[in-house]
Amino acid sequence: DAGVTQSPTHLIKTRGQQVTLRCSPKSGHDTVSWYQQALGQGPQFIFQYYEEEERQRGNFPDRFSGHQFPNYSSELNVNALLLGDSALYLCASSLPWGSQRETQYFGPGTRLLVL
Amino acid sequence: AQSVTQLGSHVSVSEGALVLLRCNYSSSVPPYLFWYVQYPNQGLQLLLKYTSAATLVKGINGFEAEFKKSETSFHLTKPSAHMSDAAEYFCAVSLSGGGADGLTFGKGTHLIIQP
Repeated sequence: DAGVTQSPTHLIKTRGQQVTLRCSPKSGHDTVSWYQQALGQGPQFIFQYYEEEERQRGNFPDRFSGHQFPNYSSELNVNALLLGDSALYLCASSLPWGSQRETQYFGPGTRLLVL
Repeated sequence: AQSVTQLGSHVSVSEGALVLLRCNYSSSVPPYLFWYVQYPNQGLQLLLKYTSAATLVKGINGFEAEFKKSETSFHLTKPSAHMSDAAEYFCAVSLSGGGADGLTFGKGTHLIIQP
């Protein structure tokens, strides 16, 4: 049973550029959440996608956007990159309903460095 | 809004000693509570979760946590520390069960195991 996968594993960008990160959820899961984890901090919730729509959003600017595809995979896009966007970006998948809906399974993350 | 406070950014114990990692939460409604572990350069792995069933929750790798509503706490314990327990530990809370809600994480506690 494949877990949550993310690509790429590492990425280096310069200020002002745009970046796209990708996530494939755990088999059978249809909800994807994205988190940003700055160095030495806990993850912060960016947004969640279900049925190809953004269902919930954390306190992040509009530069952060996403997409979910019919196969439930998801992308996180960040425009006009800032130095402060350097972080580990984590994707998590879950079931929206059912007895195990409360559990989010995390991928290994994409480490983004903005220079 | 909910929040999580983890007391102690670093905790050091000897191998074989009791591990106690503290977590206090703030929530306007009965919460769902989680402990995750993160090993270096990896994503998050679920240790255990509280979902309003038994207040004493047992997880993987010998860890357990007790939900105390009166103290708004969900401390993580393990009777005997092992070198492989060295990692970053995060407490998290959600309101609607995680799968339909973003998680709010604490800042994490770095567990150091002394030989």
